Amino acid sequence: SYVVTQPPSVSLAPGETATITCAGNNIGTKSVHWYQQKPGQAPVLVIYYDNDRPSGIPERFSGSNSGNTATLFISRVEAGDEADYYCQVWHSTGDHRVFGGGTKLTVL
Amino acid sequence: QVQLLQSAAEVKKPGDSVKVSCKASGYKFSDYGISWVRQAPGQGLEWIGWNSPYNEATDYAQKFQGRVTMTTDKSTNTAYMELRRLRSDDTAIFFCARDPANVDLTANDPFKIWGQGTVVLVSS
Repeated sequence: SYVVTQPPSVSLAPGETATITCAGNNIGTKSVHWYQQKPGQAPVLVIYYDNDRPSGIPERFSGSNSGNTATLFISRVEAGDEADYYCQVWHSTGDHRVFGGGTKLTVL
Repeated sequence: QVQLLQSAAEVKKPGDSVKVSCKASGYKFSDYGISWVRQAPGQGLEWIGWNSPYNEATDYAQKFQGRVTMTTDKSTNTAYMELRRLRSDDTAIFFCARDPANVDLTANDPFKIWGQGTVVLVSS
């Protein structure tokens, strides 16, 4: 089964740029989606197909995907960005939809 | 607007079964599949499986095969997820999500619409 690995937590000050990684074998050959989940709420899609933004998601959110690492960037981080972030990919064998373990973003 | 409305919280005993519903509105039900995702307390998201209202195909995660059944009712635009032989570690929030795949799972398309979640508590 395909495994994607995220750091458990990322902490930074307001105004800085958050970098949240999602590591997997040749993940650069796959499309990666990113979800934001705040406490008590359902996940919300923030980036899809590596670097597309749904309507209503600020331009501060962007993504990249190459080699063995996909990355979610959040520039000029705000207190309201505090949440858990999950990457998600598709794999051809085994479980077809795979989530990363999630990264808790803390804005100090 | 497009939305998925899930059934209310459930309390079950170990060994019981639970059936969670997910009623779709605002779009043509058979144009999309439904994926189900589980989140145990304090844990991450876990994909359980997918079901197509279009052709009734299913695809379950290995961990849940033999214990889960997903179905749809096109007359009421409702998807169902039944989990059997419940254990205490099945205590979780179960989400349905609109899955763009409606024939088979051969591509990775994003979940833009999610249900609000259904809490299932398994306790003796």
